[in-house]
Amino acid sequence: AQSVTQLDSQVPVFEEAPVELRCNYSSSVSVYLFWYVQYPNQGLQLLLKYLSGSTLVKGINGFEAEFNKSQTSFHLRKPSVHISDTAEYFCAVSDTGRRALTFGSGTRLQVQP
Amino acid sequence: ETGVTQSPTHLIKTRGQQVTLRCSSQSGHNTVSWYQQALGQGPQFIFQYYREEENGRGNFPPRFSGLQFPNYSSELNVNALELDDSALYLCASSPGQPGDEQYFGPGTRLTVT
Repeated sequence: AQSVTQLDSQVPVFEEAPVELRCNYSSSVSVYLFWYVQYPNQGLQLLLKYLSGSTLVKGINGFEAEFNKSQTSFHLRKPSVHISDTAEYFCAVSDTGRRALTFGSGTRLQVQP
Repeated sequence: ETGVTQSPTHLIKTRGQQVTLRCSSQSGHNTVSWYQQALGQGPQFIFQYYREEENGRGNFPPRFSGLQFPNYSSELNVNALELDDSALYLCASSPGQPGDEQYFGPGTRLTVT
């Protein structure tokens, strides 16, 4: 079984500032890692995913994440945020044999002008 | 290309009643997963269907059941509704390989009174 911990429930940040949303996971087997974004009253949209290879993964909307196996982390970063990035962000993991996702509890990113 | 659609958008039921939620998967996707998202929490995996067979189940009681049809659309049925079943129910479809992106629908908001 896997579990995901998102260490910050809310992250307030000013527009054009950098941001990091933290994610740690626990698993006894190899995993795939994902970041999804949820805008108000909408479903989830994939930002990026790590399956294998380079530990730095680039996604949509200028986001990137780095997989750190020794620290079992997959933190999400953006060098300069916009008001439109205000949303709920979910880190998720699946083992490499199954397809079901285990989600963290989410981090609400609030970008202020 | 039509995305994942869910119906109805909102639903209000009384404790003890039964409910059926519907999901149309994205064209070409043979796998459908259902998630329950309680207010302020991350989605929790209910079960997954692959080519009309159940392919994994989360920690939900048997009163949560489902179906997948030959066109890969799916239903989620919940019997004997409880107040704690109030949540956003998300359907996600994917092409069927581990690590594939799951494409989420907008969800059905179920309120049990």
